[in-house]
Amino acid sequence: ETGVTQSPTHLIKTRGQQVTLRCSSQSGHNTVSWYQQALGQGPQFIFQYYREEENGRGNFPPRFSGLQFPNYSSELNVNALELDDSALYLCASSSSGGASYNEQFFGPGTRLTVL
Amino acid sequence: AQSVSQHNHHVILSEAASLELGCNYSYGGTVNLFWYVQYPGQHLQLLLKYFSGDPLVKGIKGFEAEFIKSKFSFNLRKPSVQWSDTAEYFCAVNTGRRALTFGSGTRLQVQP
Repeated sequence: ETGVTQSPTHLIKTRGQQVTLRCSSQSGHNTVSWYQQALGQGPQFIFQYYREEENGRGNFPPRFSGLQFPNYSSELNVNALELDDSALYLCASSSSGGASYNEQFFGPGTRLTVL
Repeated sequence: AQSVSQHNHHVILSEAASLELGCNYSYGGTVNLFWYVQYPGQHLQLLLKYFSGDPLVKGIKGFEAEFIKSKFSFNLRKPSVQWSDTAEYFCAVNTGRRALTFGSGTRLQVQP
């Protein structure tokens, strides 16, 4: 069973640029959630995708957007990068049925640095 | 909106000491509760979870947690820690609204 994978591992961008992060969900999972983890903090929910539709969103501005593809992989796009966007971005996948719906499996994350 | 508080930000223990990490949440309805662990250089891993039933749940690596509804708490325990338990521990709540709400984490350092 393949776990959640994310790419790239690390990324350095400058303020104002745009970035795309990628996530492949665990086999059998059709739901992907994205989280931002700032240094010394717990992960904060950005949004979730289920069946290629946004299925819930946290308190993040519209310049954070995403996609989910038919194979359930997902992208997180951030436009007009700001210094405060520097963080570890985590992807988590889950299945949508029953109690297991709420159990999320995390990938290793993408470390984004904005200069 | 729900929130999660972890009052211990940094805990230092000697090997074989007992561990209890506090977690309190604010939400009046049905909750699903989780403890995740992040070992140095590794991704978040699920330690244990509570959905319903027996409020004392056992997880991997000898960890357990007790859900006390009246106290809105879900404290993590281990009778005897090992050096390999050095990691960051996160408590998380899901109220069925799809998102996990995490606490700020507790960094555990176990000294040999």
